[in-house]
Amino acid sequence: AQTVTQSQPEMSVQEAETVTLSCTYDTSESDYYLFWYKQPPSRQMILVIRQEAYKQQNATENRFSVNFQKAAKSFSLKISDSQLGDAAMYFCAFGDAGRGGSEKLVFGKGTKLTVNP
Amino acid sequence: DAGITQSPRHKVTETGTPVTLRCHQTENHRYMYWYRQDPGHGLRLIHYSYGVKDTDKGEVSDGYSVSRSKTEDFLLTLESATSSQTSVYFCAISGRGSIDTQYFGPGTRLTVL
Repeated sequence: AQTVTQSQPEMSVQEAETVTLSCTYDTSESDYYLFWYKQPPSRQMILVIRQEAYKQQNATENRFSVNFQKAAKSFSLKISDSQLGDAAMYFCAFGDAGRGGSEKLVFGKGTKLTVNP
Repeated sequence: DAGITQSPRHKVTETGTPVTLRCHQTENHRYMYWYRQDPGHGLRLIHYSYGVKDTDKGEVSDGYSVSRSKTEDFLLTLESATSSQTSVYFCAISGRGSIDTQYFGPGTRLTVL
């Protein structure tokens, strides 16, 4: 079974600086997707970024980018020019895309990010 | 925003009573999921559905049942609520299962006294 580990329960960053959130996963599959979700204090979960394992290029969405290291099974999220609105829980998730794979996502336990003014 | 709603948004109930939470979508997505969120545990899957009348268990399914009689509705029932089921419950939808973005509802805060 796949597992997702977020080793940093809490992180903090100064406004306008850069922060990296860590995520590692364990799988024997070669075809899969990885996701970062954000949950602000409003509780609404929203997708931040999505990465297909077969794509070499790291996904980016404005100030959010990932460092995807397939061999190391690592999928870290970098937030540049941090803003107060980035304060949230961030969840890493794994989705198996292989034939006969699960239709479910596996989530990490989350990292709480605080942005200091 | 994806059209997904949950009802009720808040509920307080007593131990031993049955409780039903409703998830409604207007996106015609095939997959629907129920999660619970507790501090220190992240999101844990309770049950999911991959089509009308097609459901399967997640990692924390004991004490819960689900039904999906229409594409747009996915019901979660706590057969006899216990204090350990006090949690925030999220519904999510997806078009293509584990390879697709999941869109989440606003959540239901359930308190079992």
